[in-house]
Amino acid sequence: TQLLEQSPQFLSIQEGENLTVYCNSSSVFSSLQWYRQEPGEGPVLLVTVVTGGEVKKLKRLTFQFGDARKDSSLHITAAQPGDTGLYLCAGYTFGSGNTGKLIFGQGTTLQVKP
Amino acid sequence: EAQVTQNPRYLITVTGKKLTVTCSQNMNHEYMSWYRQDPGLGLRQIYYSMNVEVTDKGDVPEGYKVSRKEKRNFPLILESPSPNQTSLYFCASSFTGTAAAFFGQGTRLTVV
Repeated sequence: TQLLEQSPQFLSIQEGENLTVYCNSSSVFSSLQWYRQEPGEGPVLLVTVVTGGEVKKLKRLTFQFGDARKDSSLHITAAQPGDTGLYLCAGYTFGSGNTGKLIFGQGTTLQVKP
Repeated sequence: EAQVTQNPRYLITVTGKKLTVTCSQNMNHEYMSWYRQDPGLGLRQIYYSMNVEVTDKGDVPEGYKVSRKEKRNFPLILESPSPNQTSLYFCASSFTGTAAAFFGQGTRLTVV
């Protein structure tokens, strides 16, 4: 059962455009994390959101955690070719503290063309 | 530099030949996990460890073994690899069971 659904799965845009990636679930998460993965490398943490309704900004990236802690979004303003990569949302469910298991979405492959 | 180191990065082997993928972290993290990443399936946890000598199954443990004799090391063992274990494997560590995870660079395994 895929607990985290990411959309879109693929996104190809021109440099300078804005985009939003969504991460949705029917389950409640104690926290959600966003990772970026480049080809041949492991995922690298971008941000963790913990509180329902929380908004965090990282330069041109804005992350939001839904009020009910079931969904999250990543918005990129004025995308650049360097933003190209695989974006993964991942969360810890309540009770997963004993396992350290992150539930991952399937990922969004972003291509930003110059 | 804080890091999780996996070896080897690439491995091609034959069915049935035992292999070990090593994982080491230098952050004194309690939790370590192994994930496999497959197209369309995302990352799935294979095994995890909460501390030395404490390990347990994740979502897809069949065909794999692990051990945690030292805090920093968490090797993944495939006793008799099969082609369906061809995948990209990641080791990860975290300070607690709900903290940010640090991932290794991955091991691409092909079993022929």
